[in-house]
Amino acid sequence: AQKITQTQPGMFVQEKEAVTLDCTYDTSDPSYGLFWYKQPSSGEMIFLIYQGSYDQQNATEGRYSLNFQKARKSANLVISASQLGDSAMYFCAMRESDRDDKIIFGKGTRLHILP
Amino acid sequence: GAGVSQSPRYKVTKRGQDVALRCDPISGHVSLYWYRQALGQGPEFLTYFNYEAQQDKSGLPNDRFSAERPEGSISTLTIQRTEQRDSAMYRCASSQPPGDTEAFFGQGTRLTVV
Repeated sequence: AQKITQTQPGMFVQEKEAVTLDCTYDTSDPSYGLFWYKQPSSGEMIFLIYQGSYDQQNATEGRYSLNFQKARKSANLVISASQLGDSAMYFCAMRESDRDDKIIFGKGTRLHILP
Repeated sequence: GAGVSQSPRYKVTKRGQDVALRCDPISGHVSLYWYRQALGQGPEFLTYFNYEAQQDKSGLPNDRFSAERPEGSISTLTIQRTEQRDSAMYRCASSQPPGDTEAFFGQGTRLTVV
């Protein structure tokens, strides 16, 4: 069964608009961490944001925020005021801390920002 | 080192040959992960280490794939008797002691089996 599900293979968004990238996860562990990574066309993997399962508040890093809805097992990435440079693949990932520490990735969403 | 370093960056090999891919993690990082990434797909977990101990190798596709990290630093992923389906980007990542920390990725090794 998929541990991380990203249902949007691709998205097109107008520059300066906000965008939400969906991620749902599946775990029975009470302790886990959720990550978002960006992969531009250059191929590098860039860490964006982290949310721990016990964190009371949603994580924010600059224009990035993570909309963490624990009961729904949802960890959507919100990018505010999108820029052309945000065009990239975005991956949601999870580490199940109680089981082991491997990090599992979703299939990704390709985001295109339109000028 | 300043970042995770992988070598070689590109490797072309003939079918049936063995290849060894190297990963030099960030100094002091305890956890080291190996992933395989096909074009347009997410990284597929292969195996990971804490120090020199291989904690989980459930993602290794078959017994032609093996990995080691003998001194708890540099790791080698070895593919024996390569097949064309092994062609992919192989990525290494490292992180601080397990916990609330992200993994930092190397630039990967692009393996092409001809």
